[in-house]
Amino acid sequence: QQQVKQSPQSLIVQKGGISIINCAYENTAFDYFPWYQQFPGKGPALLIAIRPDVSEKKEGRFTISFNKSAKQFSLHIMDSQPGDSATYFCAAILRNAGNNRKLIWGLGTSLAVNP
Amino acid sequence: DSGVTQTPKHLITATGQRVTLRCSPRSGDLSVYWYQQSLDQGLQFLIQYYNGEERAKGNILERFSAQQFPDLHSELNLSSLELGDSALYFCASSGGFPGQGHNEQFFGPGTRLTVL
Repeated sequence: QQQVKQSPQSLIVQKGGISIINCAYENTAFDYFPWYQQFPGKGPALLIAIRPDVSEKKEGRFTISFNKSAKQFSLHIMDSQPGDSATYFCAAILRNAGNNRKLIWGLGTSLAVNP
Repeated sequence: DSGVTQTPKHLITATGQRVTLRCSPRSGDLSVYWYQQSLDQGLQFLIQYYNGEERAKGNILERFSAQQFPDLHSELNLSSLELGDSALYFCASSGGFPGQGHNEQFFGPGTRLTVL
């Protein structure tokens, strides 16, 4: 119920192509969906995030598409560049009883963009 | 730069030993989270503290413990170390009271622990 399922596990894209990473969830109590980007040897960094009342959010070459009815959201990286090669984690924030908030992580997608 | 600092950057020690990892959260953040990341696994949530109190526990071993001090910095203590404890250990912080805002977590650069 609290899982966030992320796919694919790894992805290879040519420079200039579109990278697409998908996540799915079950629990409708999730109310915020961030994406994190992690370069080797570094900590994850918040990339972009979306609320479930919004169907799409775009920041530069990065776009989140959100399908509330299907309980799915995805990250699209347009014009992918070698510098985008990193591990991407989707996540969902769950509001528990008592108003606590918990971040549930996907398992990550390793993206390699070939020059 | 996330504003979260972690020391040391690297730590090499032997099996059976005990180490302490330190984290200073972003200015104003009250919550601190600890994660373990091994080569073959994603981010494993260990434990969360909010304003000095334990708030949530994840897959933390009994050999591991943590605390958050009045100045909000946190320490993760790992004892009776085993080879399998070799990993990257990340600290993250988030602001405000649980329930306020969206609880985005900001990560430090991590401590790479190698147990020989």
